[in-house]
Amino acid sequence: DTEVTQTPKHLVMGMTNKKSLKCEQHMGHRAMYWYKQKAKKPPELMFVYSYEKLSINESVPSRFSPECPNSSLLNLHLHALQPEDSALYLCASSHRVKRGAGLVDNEQFFGPGTRLTVL
Amino acid sequence: AQRVTQPEKLLSVFKGAPVELKCNYSYSGSPELFWYVQYSRQRLQLLLRHISRESIKGFTADLNKGETSFHLKKPFAQEEDSAMYYCALRGLGGATNKLIFGTGTLLAVQP
Repeated sequence: DTEVTQTPKHLVMGMTNKKSLKCEQHMGHRAMYWYKQKAKKPPELMFVYSYEKLSINESVPSRFSPECPNSSLLNLHLHALQPEDSALYLCASSHRVKRGAGLVDNEQFFGPGTRLTVL
Repeated sequence: AQRVTQPEKLLSVFKGAPVELKCNYSYSGSPELFWYVQYSRQRLQLLLRHISRESIKGFTADLNKGETSFHLKKPFAQEEDSAMYYCALRGLGGATNKLIFGTGTLLAVQP
């Protein structure tokens, strides 16, 4: 399996709802990412997980809560979102290896995204 | 500051014409440069990385450190090349450095 999968493909939610986005990969990648992409804009990094630990949080509002339950799964829990949070949410993963005292990444593989609409 | 600039939002060419998608970057250390492509209704995927120095689908890109550029070129455009192209930068060997994307260039190849 050489793909990153995301569910659901589309999600419509109200501002008081709680929902979750799911991402899965079985390529053995130990780095996983959440990006937000608005229409006709580039992806913007939200979170990075490295070996199942949160390593980067790009000052994302707490209404977005990531979770990495194991090395194959990445979730994004959503609560009390605003209409301006409507966007395409992309998951990505990459092969990350420990080299010396540091870490080195290979290319990022992207999922198809979840199109989120907040009413 | 780390920055990737793609000056053209849209580039329209005829089939068979040469294509050059411009990318300039600003980075204080040693950068790793990438080109990602997003075809209509498909996922974002890696096209080229400067370290590999390879040609994919007829596209090439050379890192010019003097001009801080990583332009994407193809001698003869095909209709199936129509897509959104993003140039991206990361610190070399840095897994903790995030991938910075440019604003993208939409390539439209006319028949």
